[in-house]
Amino acid sequence: EAQVTQNPRYLITVTGKKLTVTCSQNMNHEYMSWYRQDPGLGLRQIYYSMNVEVTDKGDVPEGYKVSRKEKRNFPLILESPSPNQTSLYFCASSFTTYRGLQLFFGPGTRLTVL
Amino acid sequence: QKEVEQNSGPLSVPEGAIASLNCTYSDRGSQSFFWYRQYSGKSPELIMSIYSNGDKEDGRFTAQLNKASQYVSLLIRDSQPSDSATYLCAAQDYGQNFVFGPGTRLSVLP
Repeated sequence: EAQVTQNPRYLITVTGKKLTVTCSQNMNHEYMSWYRQDPGLGLRQIYYSMNVEVTDKGDVPEGYKVSRKEKRNFPLILESPSPNQTSLYFCASSFTTYRGLQLFFGPGTRLTVL
Repeated sequence: QKEVEQNSGPLSVPEGAIASLNCTYSDRGSQSFFWYRQYSGKSPELIMSIYSNGDKEDGRFTAQLNKASQYVSLLIRDSQPSDSATYLCAAQDYGQNFVFGPGTRLSVLP
């Protein structure tokens, strides 16, 4: 089954404790990206990657890191989480075509930072 | 700052009616436009994409694009209670920059 998976689905942590949210897709998509979703603000792009070893900042990259060592994986790293990073996080992937992206989203990770 | 704006709603329509959802975008460089549906607690799923001025129909859904007015809309005909969800409008430029609107919550009343 074609899918984007994220782990963990739910996470409660404390300020400053490094964490990683994994994202994996089995569709051989070149493009992958991370979003956070907050009430009233919609989906905001954190980082995206056009292909292996190619990453770029989105609209809200501060406090986050990513890496793209393999095509299928795109982990999101919070080196020192803070309460304002409490949010719902989505990973997404897509083929890149001349028409643009058709994003497939993962199930989401609900993160709470105390 | 590139922005996509939507009325947050809720938009309530009776079952069987036409639901009309609207979206405006600020970046004239946007080339591709998308509508995603998101049920509560779930991830967004793509329902329509549109790239050229005019209408695009897919089943009960019709997307409309007017680049001169920087306006995108989604019409849902014969609305069903299962259409109750938040609808996200998104715009993409050539640089793969993808901007979402805050979403419009639609409620279809039986």
